[in-house]
Amino acid sequence: DAKTTQPNSMESNEEEPVHLPCNHSTISGTDYIHWYRQLPSQGPEYVIHGLTSNVNNRMASLAIAEDRKSSTLILHRATLRDAAVYYCILRDAIETSGSRLTFGEGTQLTVNP
Amino acid sequence: GAVVSQHPSWVICKSGTSVKIECRSLDFQATTMFWYRQFPKQSLMLMATSNEGSKATYEQGVEKDKFLINHASLTLSTLTVTSAHPEDSSFYICSARRAGTGSSPLHFGNGTRLTVT
Repeated sequence: DAKTTQPNSMESNEEEPVHLPCNHSTISGTDYIHWYRQLPSQGPEYVIHGLTSNVNNRMASLAIAEDRKSSTLILHRATLRDAAVYYCILRDAIETSGSRLTFGEGTQLTVNP
Repeated sequence: GAVVSQHPSWVICKSGTSVKIECRSLDFQATTMFWYRQFPKQSLMLMATSNEGSKATYEQGVEKDKFLINHASLTLSTLTVTSAHPEDSSFYICSARRAGTGSSPLHFGNGTRLTVT
């Protein structure tokens, strides 16, 4: 599995932007970059994913470095409900039935009122 | 949107009994389902990968005779914790992958909190 590294924790203030980084220096050309977040006592939920170009959706934006070795999840205006653990993972474009899916430690985001 | 339903959301059982957890994909066919275990303040730990109609592939260190996985249909996978012990108490989460590529989002159940007394 291609490995990702993220800071253990980050802190933000409510209504301010948050930039969550992820390094994936061993990413392959066919790996998609996915972000999920997990609120306490819940399963992870999908946030956003991309391959090469930056992506925007209603939840967040994903900025992908030109060399694809890092990416940043951007929450434009953090709310208290955005406090969660954010996971960055890589998924091969061509997943076989044997493709495993593992998670790193993620980033615990704290949002201060 | 696609939904994965996991049941039960919590269960308390006595040591030595077995517990079954169900994971259903409600509006899509899931050729692959993943089962994870999560201890407090830790990340999700992959236990096994199950493909419809075939035997599950277990991660190193996960006892296949203790954690029985059945993926009999494209919409249902079950995890049975056999002869549960207090150390099996954990948060169990399933994830379903649509047939297709890594370009599609993963869908997760809401988890099952297992407490073994």
